[in-house]
Amino acid sequence: DVKVTQSSRYLVKRTGEKVFLECVQDMDHENMFWYRQDPGLGLRLIYFSYDVKMKEKGDIPEGYSVSREKKERFSLILESASTNQTSMYLCASAAGGRYDGYTFGSGTRLTVV
Amino acid sequence: DQQVKQNSPSLSVQEGRISILNCDYTNSMFDYFLWYKKYPAEGPTFLISISSIKDKNEDGRFTVFLNKSAKHLSLHIVPSQPGDSAVYFCAASADFNKFYFGSGTKLNVKP
Repeated sequence: DVKVTQSSRYLVKRTGEKVFLECVQDMDHENMFWYRQDPGLGLRLIYFSYDVKMKEKGDIPEGYSVSREKKERFSLILESASTNQTSMYLCASAAGGRYDGYTFGSGTRLTVV
Repeated sequence: DQQVKQNSPSLSVQEGRISILNCDYTNSMFDYFLWYKKYPAEGPTFLISISSIKDKNEDGRFTVFLNKSAKHLSLHIVPSQPGDSAVYFCAASADFNKFYFGSGTKLNVKP
């Protein structure tokens, strides 16, 4: 089974801090994604990556950046955390083609105070 | 504006009965649809998919129906079991590997 591991289950950070959320997958998937989940809004795509060093903006990229230096690792960076970035963050990976769907990590609950 | 909508935030059914979860979409270019199930403290897991060339796909107790003219899909669970209690998300795609998700429906199956 594909495993997607997110480094932290819960994080509490202060406003203005730089925050790193890490995600690692172990099945050599080309595609990796970062979503945030908020009540009533579902999952919204922040950034995704089709290959090492490649990244594409999703629907809500403002205030975020990403890094993919190795195929198995996709990092989400909050440059200067704000309270409206308090959310559940979900990382996912997928092999090529849509038919496999995504494999998600367990999520990181980030609280910005 | 959300392109995929799940208008029922919650649904409660009795064990053994049918659960019907609904999903509407606005983008006529969507041609591939997925349902995911999410338990608390876990990531969503893939449940079932359907391509726009079909109007029905079945996998055990789970059946997804697609009505393209109405831009509507539904997930039927028969019979419902207490272990099915979870949040269900529908997702739709028009582009390679970019999916839009609904807001989820929390299903509670009562013993």
